[in-house]
Amino acid sequence: DGGITQSPKYLFRKEGQNVTLSCEQNLNHDAMYWYRQDPGQGLRLIYYSQIVNDFQKGDIAEGYSVSREKKESFPLTVTSAQKNPTAFYLCASSGQGVMFGYTFGSGTRLTVV
Amino acid sequence: QKEVEQNSGPLSVPEGAIASLNCTYSDRGSQSFFWYRQYSGKSPELIMSIYSNGDKEDGRFTAQLNKASQYVSLLIRDSQPSDSATYLCAVNRHSGGYQKVTFGTGTKLQVIP
Repeated sequence: DGGITQSPKYLFRKEGQNVTLSCEQNLNHDAMYWYRQDPGQGLRLIYYSQIVNDFQKGDIAEGYSVSREKKESFPLTVTSAQKNPTAFYLCASSGQGVMFGYTFGSGTRLTVV
Repeated sequence: QKEVEQNSGPLSVPEGAIASLNCTYSDRGSQSFFWYRQYSGKSPELIMSIYSNGDKEDGRFTAQLNKASQYVSLLIRDSQPSDSATYLCAVNRHSGGYQKVTFGTGTKLQVIP
């Protein structure tokens, strides 16, 4: 079945540590996205990528980095520069064009310990 | 003014009733509109999309769009307890060569048995 796989489901980060969240899709979608969801704040865009080897900053990119070396994969690294990383992280993909909605992965819940 | 506004709720309706969820948006250039359902602790799931003024029906769901009033709504007929979730409104426009999707903060729906 086609879909988006995010791993791990839960992740704990120590202060000063970088962690990487995985996102893989087999939907043959060109566009992929990373969102952060905090209670009462809705979804906020971190990074997005329209094609391989290209990505753009979203609204809250500081403290995060991404790569898009393969069409299927769009990993997100939460660096030590991100001071408040505890959140629910969602990866999504879509076809090109405004007519396409998103397919979301199951999410990664990141907690700082 | 928020780009996409939704009443956070909770909206409580009895089982079998019609639930009406509303969303307003500020960008008149918006081109497509989506409703996502998000169960507690889970990722959003696309349930409806609409692009033209008027109504679009899919099973128990009807999406309504009024671009002149910058208003989009979701009606859920014969509401079931399994419909209890947070419903996210999303608005999409093509800008500068990429899609810009803005999410509302969601309306929590409670269907009372």
